[in-house]
Amino acid sequence: SAVISQKPSRDICQRGTSLTIQCQVDSQVTMMFWYRQQPGQSLTLIATANQGSEATYESGFVIDKFPISRPNLTFSTLTVSNMSPEDSSIYLCSVEVAGVRYGYTFGSGTRLTVV
Amino acid sequence: GENVEQHPSTLSVQEGDSAVIKCTYSDSASNYFPWYKQELGKRPQLIIDIRSNVGEKKDQRIAVTLNKTAKHFSLHITETQPEDSAVYFCAARGNSWGKLQFGAGTQVVVTP
Repeated sequence: SAVISQKPSRDICQRGTSLTIQCQVDSQVTMMFWYRQQPGQSLTLIATANQGSEATYESGFVIDKFPISRPNLTFSTLTVSNMSPEDSSIYLCSVEVAGVRYGYTFGSGTRLTVV
Repeated sequence: GENVEQHPSTLSVQEGDSAVIKCTYSDSASNYFPWYKQELGKRPQLIIDIRSNVGEKKDQRIAVTLNKTAKHFSLHITETQPEDSAVYFCAARGNSWGKLQFGAGTQVVVTP
């Protein structure tokens, strides 16, 4: 399966600032997904990132707040902009891996605290 | 879009007993159903998955069953052990863009 390196693993940020989260995959993947997991909650999809095109955002998430870059088939970034305490959460990237064991793998997550 | 409901939200079992978690989905075109285990502070880990052309799949103590007609699928854990304690999420892949829709999660506690 694919190995995803996600960073930073955690950060504490001041409200009004922005944080960029990076995900690097050890193989080329078509789609990368960005999720948010609030404490004690399930995973909520923020957006789907395809290389070479604009990301597709889910209802309730907008590009101005969560801009995404996907410059190549192994890398993506998610920026959390103009942060407020409500943005405190775990952010995870995920990729779909085709093959014998077909599934979706997650990065280790970024625990964000906004103060 | 796809909607996945998961029950129960918490499940306490004695070590050695079986645990069953059930999920229903709304999109009849959904074709892939993974189950993830998430331990505290860690990323979700895929433990088993099933495709829509299969009714049942087993991997050691874990099995998943799929009923396409009723649009529900279940995770079965036999001979539970304390290390099975975690949050389990079901998910379904609907018909658009390959994205997964997750259930709300089940906190499983296995007591010795």
